[in-house]
Amino acid sequence: AQSVTQLDSHVSVSEGTPVLLRCNYSSSYSPSLFWYVQHPNKGLQLLLKYTSAATLVKGINGFEAEFKKSETSFHLTKPSAHMSDAAEYFCVVSVGDGTDKLIFGTGTRLQVFP
Amino acid sequence: GAGVSQSPSNKVTEKGKDVELRCDPISGHTALYWYRQRLGQGLEFLIYFQGNSAPDKSGLPSDRFSAERTGESVSTLTIQRTQQEDSAVYLCASSSVNEQFFGPGTRLTVL
Repeated sequence: AQSVTQLDSHVSVSEGTPVLLRCNYSSSYSPSLFWYVQHPNKGLQLLLKYTSAATLVKGINGFEAEFKKSETSFHLTKPSAHMSDAAEYFCVVSVGDGTDKLIFGTGTRLQVFP
Repeated sequence: GAGVSQSPSNKVTEKGKDVELRCDPISGHTALYWYRQRLGQGLEFLIYFQGNSAPDKSGLPSDRFSAERTGESVSTLTIQRTQQEDSAVYLCASSSVNEQFFGPGTRLTVL
C-alpha cells in the first residue's frame, strides 16, 4: 500500500534562508508524488508533481523537489524563504489503482521569521 | 475560469441532525473526490466518482455517510445523524490529467 511520512510537523526558518521539508514515501510500484500547500483559510494549491519523468521537479514560487528512489524520499526545498511561504505543506502520493485517489501526509507547518 | 466550488462554506449543526454538503466540480472533469480534513491533520479520502458511478467508497467512515453525483457534475455528500467526531472540513476535488483541483471546503461543526 502507498503511504507518505512527513518527518517534521513544524519547521521554522528565517526569511532569506533555505527551506527543507522532508517526505518519505512507501509504494509497491513507481509512484506519482505531489506537494500541496495550504495557506490559512485558503484552499489547497498544487506546488509541484512527479510522474516518472525528470527526478528534479520544479514547481511554483521557487520550490522544487527531488525524487530519490534509493532513499524513497521526495523532499521539498527552496533556496530562500519568503514571509509569504508560511503555510501548511502536504506531501502526497497517488494510489496507482486507476482511481488516482490521493494519500496525504500529516503536514508540515512552515513558519518564516523576519 | 471557474474552479471547484462548495457550499455551504460553513455549517453548524446539532448532534443527530442530517447535513448535506454540495460540490460543483470544474466543467468537463469526469473524476470527483471527497476528502475530510480533521483539525491539524492531513486529508482522508472518503469517496471517488468516475462519472456518475462510485467505484471506490472505501473511505466512508460509516453507513451514516453517503454521496451521490448526478449528470457528471454536482455531487452531494450526506451525513445522517451527525456526531461530534464528524466535525471537520470536507473538501471536494475534481480531476483532469493526473492533477486534482480542490474546492475551498465546507467547515462542519457538530455541537
